[in-house]
Amino acid sequence: NAGVTQTPKFRILKIGQSMTLQCTQDMNHNYMYWYRQDPGMGLKLIYYSVGAGITDKGEVPNGYNVSRSTTEDFPLRLELAAPSQTSVYFCASRSPGQGGTGIYEQYFGPGTRLTVT
Amino acid sequence: GENVEQHPSTLSVQEGDSAVIKCTYSDSASNYFPWYKQELGKGPQLIIDIRSNVGEKKDQRIAVTLNKTAKHFSLHITETQPEDSAVYFCAAWATGGGNKLTFGTGTQLKVEL
Repeated sequence: NAGVTQTPKFRILKIGQSMTLQCTQDMNHNYMYWYRQDPGMGLKLIYYSVGAGITDKGEVPNGYNVSRSTTEDFPLRLELAAPSQTSVYFCASRSPGQGGTGIYEQYFGPGTRLTVT
Repeated sequence: GENVEQHPSTLSVQEGDSAVIKCTYSDSASNYFPWYKQELGKGPQLIIDIRSNVGEKKDQRIAVTLNKTAKHFSLHITETQPEDSAVYFCAAWATGGGNKLTFGTGTQLKVEL
């Protein structure tokens, strides 16, 4: 059981290039999330998905796109990289809640450190 | 939407002392409050959480308190150890509020020998 995995760990992009950050979870979680974390700041939600085929915008979606064709995978796409997208990106997943306990633990991946120059 | 404020942004304590991190939230509908610990180069990991029907929860050296009336909650770490050094994030969740956690800006805790 690997949990949430992200690739790549590090990436340097030139302005205007595109790339896809990969995220996979093996816990059969319906909910998946993409966050970015800037230095000294908290986690800002980019996009999220409540199940395969369903995605929605978070706080900072501009410049990004997502898709959710399977329960396991939730890739994040940057089409035209800009310096403002230099950040650490975290993917997370959670289950709907464990019965009456209402446990909503989110599991995070190890992150992708992206630099755009 | 929900807004979560967290203080202090940095906290330095001597080993063995206690550390307290405080958060306030704005949405009275929020009913779940987790705390995450993030070690250098890793993703955040849940360390303790509390739901709105409980005022306090403890797990060994870690405790969380919640004051619903004042809309604030706190993390308490007793007998701090060097391995407690990390960034800590509070978060708030309103069930039915779009299935999203709103995070505080984090506290860098340093435990000095």
